[in-house]
Amino acid sequence: AQKVTQTQTSISVMEKTTVTMDCVYETQDSSYFLFWYKQTASGEIVFLIRQDSYKKENATVGHYSLNFQKPKSSIGLIITATQIEDSAVYFCAMREASSGSWQLIFGSGTQLTVMP
Amino acid sequence: DMKVTQMPRYLIKRMGENVLLECGQDMSHETMYWYRQDPGLGLQLIYISYDVDSNSEGDIPKGYRVSRKKREHFSLILDSAKTNQTSVYFCASSLWTASGNTLYFGEGSRLIVV
Repeated sequence: AQKVTQTQTSISVMEKTTVTMDCVYETQDSSYFLFWYKQTASGEIVFLIRQDSYKKENATVGHYSLNFQKPKSSIGLIITATQIEDSAVYFCAMREASSGSWQLIFGSGTQLTVMP
Repeated sequence: DMKVTQMPRYLIKRMGENVLLECGQDMSHETMYWYRQDPGLGLQLIYISYDVDSNSEGDIPKGYRVSRKKREHFSLILDSAKTNQTSVYFCASSLWTASGNTLYFGEGSRLIVV
C-alpha cells in the first residue's frame, strides 16, 4: 500500500533564507508521480510542483525546487529566498502510475512560518 | 475561468440530520474527488469519481455516499450525520491524463455536527 510521511510538523525560518521540507513515501510501483501542494491561511489549496519518478532531473518552478532521492524514497521541497507569503501548510502527495486508481495520497503536512 | 466551487461553505447540523455538500467545476474534468481534512491527518480521500455514474470508494468511505449525474457536478451526502464527521471537506477535480494528474481544489466546506 502506498504511504506518504511528512515528519516535520512545523518549521520557522527568517525571510529571504532557504528552507527544505522533507517527505518520504512508500510504494511497490516502479512508476509514480510526486506532488507538492500549498494550503494558505484562507484554506485555499494550490498545486506547486511535481516530479515524475522516471525523470532524473529535479523539477524547478520559480523559487520552488525538488530534491528527488529515489533510492531513499524521498522528495524534499526546497524554497529559496523565502517570503512572508510563503507561510502556509505544505502537503506532499503521491499517485502510483500503474494502479487503476487515480487516488492521490497526501502526507499530513508541514506548517511553514516565515518571519520578517 | 478554471474554478471549483463548493456549496455551502459553512454548515452546522444536528446529529442524525442529512447533509448535502455540493461541488461544481467549469473545466470539463472527468475526475472529481471528495477529501476531508482533520488536524494532523492531512487530506483523506472519501470518494473518487472517474466520470458520470462512475464512482469508487477512497480510504474512508464509511458514512458517506456520492452522486455524479453531470460531469461538472459532484455531490457528497451524509445520511444521518455523526459528530465525528465534523471536518472540513474539500472537493477537487483533475484531467484524465496518463502522465499524472494535477488537482484543482475548491475552497472547502466546513461542517460542524452537534
